[in-house]
Amino acid sequence: DTAVSQTPKYLVTQMGNDKSIKCEQNLGHDTMYWYKQDSKKFLKIMFSYNNKELIINETVPNRFSPKSPDKAHLNLHINSLELGDSAVYFCASSQVGAGRQDTQYFGPGTRLTVL
Amino acid sequence: GIQVEQSPPDLILQEGANSTLRCNFSDSVNNLQWFHQNPWGQLINLFYIPSGTKQNGRLSATTVATERYSLLYISSSQTTDSGVYFCAVERDQGAQKLVFGQGTRLTINP
Repeated sequence: DTAVSQTPKYLVTQMGNDKSIKCEQNLGHDTMYWYKQDSKKFLKIMFSYNNKELIINETVPNRFSPKSPDKAHLNLHINSLELGDSAVYFCASSQVGAGRQDTQYFGPGTRLTVL
Repeated sequence: GIQVEQSPPDLILQEGANSTLRCNFSDSVNNLQWFHQNPWGQLINLFYIPSGTKQNGRLSATTVATERYSLLYISSSQTTDSGVYFCAVERDQGAQKLVFGQGTRLTINP
C-alpha cells in the first residue's frame, strides 16, 4: 500500500493557467508538507500543516494556496502559473510530538512543466 | 537560518567500493535525517539520526551533534546505490521545518 500518494505524477500546462496537485497519506500522521525541488535538485519547504492548521508558510507567493480538508489530505492549488513554477513538487508527512521521531515520508513527486 | 553543507558534491565509484558522505550544519539541531533520491526521483528516508550511530545493512550513519556534522557510510557499493543523497536538519524540535543540504550525487559504475 502506498504511504504517501500524489496526483498527478506529471502536469504540463500553459502560463497563466490554474492547476491543483493532490496529496493523501495513509500513515495516520498529523503533519503534512509541501516541498519544491528546482532544476538543480535543491529541496525547499513551502508549507506545513498540522491537524489541518497551517504551521509554516515559507514566503511562498500567494498564488500558491494549500488546502487541508482533513489531516490525511493536503492539496496545493496554484493560480496564474509562471515559467518559474516549473519544478518537482513533493508532498510529505510525519508524526510530530514529544518523544517521537519526526521522520518525514515523501510522496513520489509531481513534475510540473509550465510552457 | 541554519546552513547545511554536504560534501563532496559528486562522487563516482566502482561497484564494491566504500564511500563516506559528509553533512556539516551551522547550528545545534534536534532532528537530522538522511535521504536517498533514486534515479527515478523517489525520496527514501534512510536514517533519523540527530545524534549517535545507526546501522542498516550496508549503510550506517553517525552524527556528532556537538561538532555539528554527520557522516553517511556506504559499504560494498552497488549500482542501485546511485542517486542523490540529502542531509536535512531541523533546529527546533517539532518546528516541522526540515532544511536540506544541496546533496551529494553518487554514481556507482559496474
